[in-house]
Amino acid sequence: GDSVTQMEGPVTLSEEAFLTINCTYTATGYPSLFWYVQYPGEGLQLLLKATKADDKGSNKGFEATYRKETTSFHLEKGSVQVSDSAVYFCAAGNQGGKLIFGQGTELSVKP
Amino acid sequence: GAVVSQHPSRVICKSGTSVKIECRSLDFQATTMFWYRQFPKKSLMLMATSNEGSKATYEQGVEKDKFLINHASLTLSTLTVTSAHPEDSSFYICSAREVRGQGAEQFFGPGTRLTVL
Repeated sequence: GDSVTQMEGPVTLSEEAFLTINCTYTATGYPSLFWYVQYPGEGLQLLLKATKADDKGSNKGFEATYRKETTSFHLEKGSVQVSDSAVYFCAAGNQGGKLIFGQGTELSVKP
Repeated sequence: GAVVSQHPSRVICKSGTSVKIECRSLDFQATTMFWYRQFPKKSLMLMATSNEGSKATYEQGVEKDKFLINHASLTLSTLTVTSAHPEDSSFYICSAREVRGQGAEQFFGPGTRLTVL
């Protein structure tokens, strides 16, 4: 079946460091790809998305490119802030809205 | 953005009792809602898809007689954990799908922490 795999956490970075969180997927057809963020004590929020190959999603300095050839959707940010500390989830979704999530990566940014 | 609420946010119950969790879309109508279960330090596991006015579609391995889902209106879906046991203790999250023109977006509730003693 469909699945999403993302890099293990926790990831600890210093403020202004470069961030990459890897995400790969296996799916039949061409899913839409998402990154969700869960701040402490809050629900999941959509961070960015891409609906077809070579699309780049971006928001709040984060970006990810839908790479069909490598079935990947890696999340990057050039300079992280303490306020970016959260758990990040990669997900693949079909037309009906059903989402398959990766295991989540906890990011901790130190001042 | 659109808001989805869950009630209660936290519930503690005795083994053998049933617990109902509500999921509401506050400012939009959702023909489809989803229920997830999240274990500590783990991902969200889709339990079922709830469609307004019809029976829910359960994922493989999820007991439909234990996790009763009702989606009686376009803004409300409920999950009832029947005869709860300690292994049902978990964080339950719902999401509601808003269809907008050609596309759709899913909005998540803040979750409900269920502890079964």
